[in-house]
Amino acid sequence: EAGVAQSPRYKIIEKRQSVAFWCNPISGHATLYWYQQILGQGPKLLIQFQNNGVVDDSQLPKDRFSAERLKGVDSTLKIQPAKLEDSAVYLCASSFDRGRAFFGQGTRLTVV
Amino acid sequence: AQSVAQPEDQVNVAEGNPLTVKCTYSVSGNPYLFWYVQYPNRGLQFLLKYITGDNLVKGSYGFEAEFNKSQTSFHLKKPSALVSDSALYFCAVRDVDDKIIFGKGTRLHILP
Repeated sequence: EAGVAQSPRYKIIEKRQSVAFWCNPISGHATLYWYQQILGQGPKLLIQFQNNGVVDDSQLPKDRFSAERLKGVDSTLKIQPAKLEDSAVYLCASSFDRGRAFFGQGTRLTVV
Repeated sequence: AQSVAQPEDQVNVAEGNPLTVKCTYSVSGNPYLFWYVQYPNRGLQFLLKYITGDNLVKGSYGFEAEFNKSQTSFHLKKPSALVSDSALYFCAVRDVDDKIIFGKGTRLHILP
């Protein structure tokens, strides 16, 4: 079974630039999550999709972050403009029918 | 609001000794509880889950967890620790809206 795919694995950008991350969940998984994990901390939920609809985005900084899941399959998370404090690992996860979440390898973002 | 607490930032255990990593939770309704492990530069790997049934849940790599409803705890355990168990461990809870909330993590050091 193919896992959750994320790209890129690493990204370095300057502050005020924009960046986008891509996630392809496991086939058939209706629920997709984006998490931000700052070094030394637990993953923080940014946004949760059920198919192509947003279930929760209460912790997404909407002035600079956006996410979409067109067609209810793959998803992109964008940051524009980036700040130094956005440096983190961005994790995508998917789940089926309230089961466990399967995580991708993550994208490590460094903002300089 | 649902939450997960991991009271220990770090746990040190000698190889061969039993280990316990603590987790307490707060959630409305019946809890769906999970343990994940994270190795350096890797995504989150699933260890085990509790949904209903037996209070002692067995998972991957010889780990198990004990669900205690009265104490709202879900401690991770292993009878005999290995050096390779050294990693960052996260407890998580799924709420009624399918959000998965993580604790801040506990770093486990197994000393040879």
